[in-house]
Amino acid sequence: QKEVEQDPGPLSVPEGAIVSLNCTYSNSAFQYFMWYRQYSRKGPELLMYTYSSGNKEDGRFTAQVDKSSKYISLFIRDSQPSDSATYLCAMSGGSQAGTALIFGKGTTLSVSS
Amino acid sequence: NAGVTQTPKFQVLKTGQSMTLQCAQDMNHNSMYWYRQDPGMGLRLIYYSASEGTTDKGEVPNGYNVSRLNKREFSLRLESAAPSQTSVYFCASTTGEGYGYTFGSGTRLTVV
Repeated sequence: QKEVEQDPGPLSVPEGAIVSLNCTYSNSAFQYFMWYRQYSRKGPELLMYTYSSGNKEDGRFTAQVDKSSKYISLFIRDSQPSDSATYLCAMSGGSQAGTALIFGKGTTLSVSS
Repeated sequence: NAGVTQTPKFQVLKTGQSMTLQCAQDMNHNSMYWYRQDPGMGLRLIYYSASEGTTDKGEVPNGYNVSRLNKREFSLRLESAAPSQTSVYFCASTTGEGYGYTFGSGTRLTVV
């Protein structure tokens, strides 16, 4: 079992929809949880960061971490065509690779106008 | 602009050729990483350097070597390129664990 599982999609939604993206993980030592957004042919960029369990909100984006279920989510409200990208979950803490983030495979999102 | 700079952006190699991918950051970050990204496989860690003077293997190190030249620069070398190394390579850096990474724009490598 891979340490981080993420449904690759693709996910297609109309403009204005609420989007839910999810990852599950197996390593209970993970404590830093992040979401990255990657536009086509670009490098990933940090979107949201959460330490341990709980919620974090930034504008239209909300990140949730449920450590008891080993499950993290990213919600996008009022989705826009500019949100069309691949979203990667990432986490670290307790990994054998020091500070290195372990990434999910990414979910490709398309928002149509 | 501050950030992570990767060179070259594109490269085509013949099987057996060697090359070095360059990465430099100007944010005074301690840790640097090399990932490869393949369709359906996500980002996989090749090598990392937690601090200047140290390097360690990641998930997929075979066929690669690295050098942390100084705090700013972290290079990735392919000694004898193989078609299986066709991929997009990303360099990233961070201040330390728990901080987000800054990624470069990637190097698209094709081995024929």
